[in-house]
Amino acid sequence: DAKTTQPPSMDCAEGRAANLPCNHSTISGNEYVYWYRQIHSQGPQYIIHGLKNNETNEMASLIITEDRKSSTLILPHATLRDTAVYYCIVRVGGYSTLTFGKGTMLLVSP
Amino acid sequence: GAVVSQHPSWVICKSGTSVKIECRSLDFQATTMFWYRQFPKQSLMLMATSNEGSKATYEQGVEKDKFLINHASLTLSTLTVTSAHPEDSSFYICSAPTSFLYNEQFFGPGTRLTVL
Repeated sequence: DAKTTQPPSMDCAEGRAANLPCNHSTISGNEYVYWYRQIHSQGPQYIIHGLKNNETNEMASLIITEDRKSSTLILPHATLRDTAVYYCIVRVGGYSTLTFGKGTMLLVSP
Repeated sequence: GAVVSQHPSWVICKSGTSVKIECRSLDFQATTMFWYRQFPKQSLMLMATSNEGSKATYEQGVEKDKFLINHASLTLSTLTVTSAHPEDSSFYICSAPTSFLYNEQFFGPGTRLTVL
């Protein structure tokens, strides 16, 4: 699976949009971009995934650049409960394993 | 979304004892489940892949005789830490991919193991 690079930490004010970047310059054509998050002392939670088109669900939006070498996860109105470590993972679809990097620690403050 | 449970949520045991952790898929069947370990301030590391009705597949460096995995049914996988030592203290998390939600894996809440 392709390697990803994320900033170690980010801050966001409550109510504002949180934009979390991820670089994956070695991504292959059949690899998807996945985002998970892990709130302290809990199991990871799936957020969203995409191949090349932008995706949106009730939790977040995923913007993938045209060359697919980077992506941005957008939490449109961050709340205190969004404070977590966010993992960007690139992998081939199906029942393959997830390889977790160090992720980005997002701190949402009042 | 699909639900994966783990039991117990935390356990404290003495060095040398064995501890069993259960992972259940509550509303879907999982022929495959994954076991991860997470040390403090570190990321999740895959330990093994549990396959229903067959032997588990262990990642490099994970002792299969120490971390026994049994996947006896389509909704239950167990991880037994045998002869636990303080260095086995960690956060153990299982996950299961679903068939009806393409590509998503659902994680259990984790089990905090402390070996004294």
